[in-house]
Amino acid sequence: DQQVKQNSPSLSVQEGRISILNCDYTNSMFDYFLWYKKYPAEGPTFLISISSIKDKNEDGRFTVFLNKSAKHLSLHIVPSQPGDSAVYFCAASRGGSNYKLTFGKGTLLTVNP
Amino acid sequence: KAGVTQTPRYLIKTRGQQVTLSCSPISGHRSVSWYQQTPGQGLQFLFEYFSETQRNKGNFPGRFSGRQFSNSRSEMNVSTLELGDSALYLCASSSQAGGGETQYFGPGTRLLVL
Repeated sequence: DQQVKQNSPSLSVQEGRISILNCDYTNSMFDYFLWYKKYPAEGPTFLISISSIKDKNEDGRFTVFLNKSAKHLSLHIVPSQPGDSAVYFCAASRGGSNYKLTFGKGTLLTVNP
Repeated sequence: KAGVTQTPRYLIKTRGQQVTLSCSPISGHRSVSWYQQTPGQGLQFLFEYFSETQRNKGNFPGRFSGRQFSNSRSEMNVSTLELGDSALYLCASSSQAGGGETQYFGPGTRLLVL
């Protein structure tokens, strides 16, 4: 049972445009959500997180939106850059703990120059 | 500060063998988690250790085990390897017992079972 779903395996955008990566979850006990970026041959790198008490968190070009009623979150990257090309994983945890993350299967983002 | 290191980076084994993977967390981090990444299942949580104690375990068979040493280094062992165990094994460390701190991942060990 996939509790965290990233339904788009891949996404392609033009440099300078907005990238929107989506993530859905089914477990209403999740209360902390994270996005990780992963380049080939490297481990995932933390990008941005959001607690369930918020509906938006922004860090530079990256903004995460959380819609609890829809059990949906999204990552917006504006403007997209070629260096953003990577696999993006959405992850969730419960009880405020971070040590057991449930990941989605990832979305490969390609930003074309 | 040095990042999370994992050894070996690549490993080839045959079915039925066992394997031990090692993870050294960031200095000062006491929590180490292990994940398995496969194309079909994505990243799946294996287990987490904190102060030498396994605190949480994912849904993997007993062939997968781990331990943590007093210096926070962790090892993961897989016995009686199966073809389906071929994967990238990632470990991650964090400094707090839980909450508010993110995990920092190592580069992973790629295991191929023939």
